[in-house]
Amino acid sequence: QSVLTQPPSASGTPGQRVTISCSGSSSNIGNNYVYWYQQLPGTAPKLLIFRNNQRPSGVPARFSGSRSGTSASLAISGLRSEDEADYYCATWDDSLSGPVFGGGAKLTVL
Amino acid sequence: EVQLLESGGGLVQPGGSLRLSCAASGFTFTNYAMSWVRQAPGKGLEWVSGISGSGGSTYHADYVKGRFTISRDNSKNTLYLQMNSLRAEDTAIYYCANWVLAAADFDYWGQGTLVTVSS
Repeated sequence: QSVLTQPPSASGTPGQRVTISCSGSSSNIGNNYVYWYQQLPGTAPKLLIFRNNQRPSGVPARFSGSRSGTSASLAISGLRSEDEADYYCATWDDSLSGPVFGGGAKLTVL
Repeated sequence: EVQLLESGGGLVQPGGSLRLSCAASGFTFTNYAMSWVRQAPGKGLEWVSGISGSGGSTYHADYVKGRFTISRDNSKNTLYLQMNSLRAEDTAIYYCANWVLAAADFDYWGQGTLVTVSS
């Protein structure tokens, strides 16, 4: 049981916009920055979004993040086949004194 | 270019020990905190342990506290994870990553090393 709750799956067709939600509590998302990681099949995770809505250099502007209260979301616009991957949200948890992850959402591009 | 290369994984019996290493290059190692994050087969990501840039402060998740010890040798640009009293539920790919303290910010990740705990 993950501390952060994500839907196990999401899907869309090429060109569509999809969003993946991440729900937490006041001890984690409600009081700390949210990060998003992309894990392509068979590879290590990669930082996709940092500090709620910032993109590292090299990450396309199609990817965006937001946070509101104790929830966060990742939006991917102009969906492409290469976006098919697992997406994880993460944040610091003040009660656990450590980073926590969501269970991950598997994105399928139909 | 930042590179993190883990090694030391393998098959170990329950109750056994293993030491993982992570060789870092492409950045000033001592300036960065580091962490180990694991992923059980077919499961999600789980933070295991972290250490400050100087090595003076260490942090462990409750489920490994007392069994795992994180350390680093800044003269060798290498991060370690000593794992004792291993259990079946410790079976996972173990990734090293550079880490921002008190955040879930893992900027770069290694390719991982597989630890299998089984009799």
